[in-house]
Amino acid sequence: EPEVTQTPSHQVTQMGQEVILRCVPISNHLYFYWYRQILGQKVEFLVSFYNNEISEKSEIFDDQFSVERPDGSNFTLKIRSTKLEDSAMYFCASRGPGWEQYFGPGTRLTVT
Amino acid sequence: DQQVKQNSPSLSVQEGRISILNCDYTNSMFDYFLWYKKYPAEGPTFLISISSIKDKNEDGRFTVFLNKSAKHLSLHIVPSQPGDSAVYFCAASARNQGGSEKLVFGKGTKLTVNP
Repeated sequence: EPEVTQTPSHQVTQMGQEVILRCVPISNHLYFYWYRQILGQKVEFLVSFYNNEISEKSEIFDDQFSVERPDGSNFTLKIRSTKLEDSAMYFCASRGPGWEQYFGPGTRLTVT
Repeated sequence: DQQVKQNSPSLSVQEGRISILNCDYTNSMFDYFLWYKKYPAEGPTFLISISSIKDKNEDGRFTVFLNKSAKHLSLHIVPSQPGDSAVYFCAASARNQGGSEKLVFGKGTKLTVNP
């Protein structure tokens, strides 16, 4: 069964460093999303992406964040200068013609 | 911001019995609701969804009920199996309100099914 994959599974970085989280959505999906879950808190929406542009973003998704679909398969989230409070699980999701979103296994980002 | 609330952090049931997980929402713009299951160190797995034009949707052992007037939905699992033990998230979106697709999640309910 097709699934969303994410790499790396765990990323440790120092405050102020740039990180790129990678996702491979399900192959025939056209809508892509990033969510995050800080430990002990809810899963929260960051950004949605369709037709090579951002369709919606949350207040969390400030100028330090960017997304890109550099080729036909990858979807990336970049954090330019990481802060301690960026430590969280980051989930990529995609959807096809239906309305359900399918999530990847997540990348645990630890900022020290 | 508590637009989607799951007031029971945990639920324990016996194998073979019914599990009922509850979810309340406050935003009347929500028109699509989903349930996800999550195991530790994995991403949320889609289980079942329901549109606001329906009041019930069934898929095998899983049934979701929607009561729009009460802004309440529930997930029934019957019969419950030990493999159902996981955290269950309720999520909602306001698809037809400006085309927002973002999912708003509840905090989750940890279900334990005892053999």
